[in-house]
Amino acid sequence: ETGVTQTPRHLVMGMTNKKSLKCEQHLGHNAMYWYKQSAKKPLELMFVYNFKEQTENNSVPSRFSPECPNSSHLFLHLHTLQPEDSALYLCASSQDPDRGTNYGYTFGSGTRLTVV
Amino acid sequence: LAKTTQPISMDSYEGQEVNITCSHNNIATNDYITWYQQFPSQGPRFIIQGYKTKVTNEVASLFIPADRKSSTLSLPRVSLSDTAVYYCLVGDGYSGAGSYQLTFGKGTKLSVIP
Repeated sequence: ETGVTQTPRHLVMGMTNKKSLKCEQHLGHNAMYWYKQSAKKPLELMFVYNFKEQTENNSVPSRFSPECPNSSHLFLHLHTLQPEDSALYLCASSQDPDRGTNYGYTFGSGTRLTVV
Repeated sequence: LAKTTQPISMDSYEGQEVNITCSHNNIATNDYITWYQQFPSQGPRFIIQGYKTKVTNEVASLFIPADRKSSTLSLPRVSLSDTAVYYCLVGDGYSGAGSYQLTFGKGTKLSVIP
């Protein structure tokens, strides 16, 4: 366990379904992220939240809708997805660190999403 | 953020030392060099970070020459469980208030052979 927990670990959904991915961090971090990792592609940043405020949306289609009710929880609401949206969705968190020490992200284990 | 170049893949036998080199010719003065490890179907995990010279922890060593245009991740005596993708990231990507904009490349796929 990294301190960032994602549920479910696996999800299969039809193109007309609505589902949500959940992420919870127990590290006291104040920033949370959603990344998408498709097969044989680099990780793609989707959304960034600082103190519950969305600060980044990297041109993500509206069928992906993030929600951050507090600094410990992050959701990704999914609706009318396409088969090409099948991927590993990773949540991460971070905290303002001292320079020169461990910084950057703590990732969860991801949700493997398959759209059929 | 500075662009990085690293080998797409590497093979090594168990028990050997593995060195993965990353080129980052456009590294900025304030940039740090960070390496992550990713196993299949898991999120990347922080391995090591450095700014210059040499950094060592319980997992790896990071060698950074004086010009900082490259860096080498060294994994001592690898085992089968070290088979993973290793990412080199340069820059702090710091956006303020604890938020980062880390950009991952394709990484180096290390395969450890028995």
